[in-house]
Amino acid sequence: KAGVTQTPRYLIKTRGQQVTLSCSPISGHRSVSWYQQTPGQGLQFLFEYFSETQRNKGNFPGRFSGRQFSNSRSEMNVSTLELGDSALYLCASAFRGQETQYFGPGTRLLVL
Amino acid sequence: DQQVKQNSPSLSVQEGRISILNCDYTNSMFDYFLWYKKYPAEGPTFLISISSIKDKNEDGRFTVFLNKSAKHLSLHIVPSQPGDSAVYFCAASAGGGADGLTFGKGTHLIIQP
Repeated sequence: KAGVTQTPRYLIKTRGQQVTLSCSPISGHRSVSWYQQTPGQGLQFLFEYFSETQRNKGNFPGRFSGRQFSNSRSEMNVSTLELGDSALYLCASAFRGQETQYFGPGTRLLVL
Repeated sequence: DQQVKQNSPSLSVQEGRISILNCDYTNSMFDYFLWYKKYPAEGPTFLISISSIKDKNEDGRFTVFLNKSAKHLSLHIVPSQPGDSAVYFCAASAGGGADGLTFGKGTHLIIQP
């Protein structure tokens, strides 16, 4: 079974731009969660989608948003990029949002 | 407020010996705990988990112990192998996991030959 895939793997943007990241979950998984990893804050939960609905959201500003499609693929969008948004963005999938989540390789975003 | 703490940023262990990684938590609502292993530039890889109704779970060389009264869990790796060198993250969830995982800051395990 193929794992979680994320595209693109690397991205460079400038302040003020917006970015969209994509995640394809493991086949059959309907829950997709997004996390941000930075050296200072570690891994932090952004939000979780299940059946195209956002079920929960972490403590991030409204510039961070996402959506999920009927095939469970998910996208994450960050608008008005700031330097502090430079991070590794990780997507994780689970069968029903059950406890064990499986992570993709991440998208490394650099904001200049 | 850090709800999941891994107080050792790094740990060095000789090959063949036991590696013990520790994790403490403060939120008594956490009912499921996981350990992930992470190499640089890759996503975390799931290793082993434990539910709060158990105090031990074993999978090959990996054993996780949970002490609910102390709000402490540990991951034992026996015997340690060079390929075990990585950053290990402890994570916890409450209410079936729908609230997302809360991660510790990680422990960098170095296996020395």
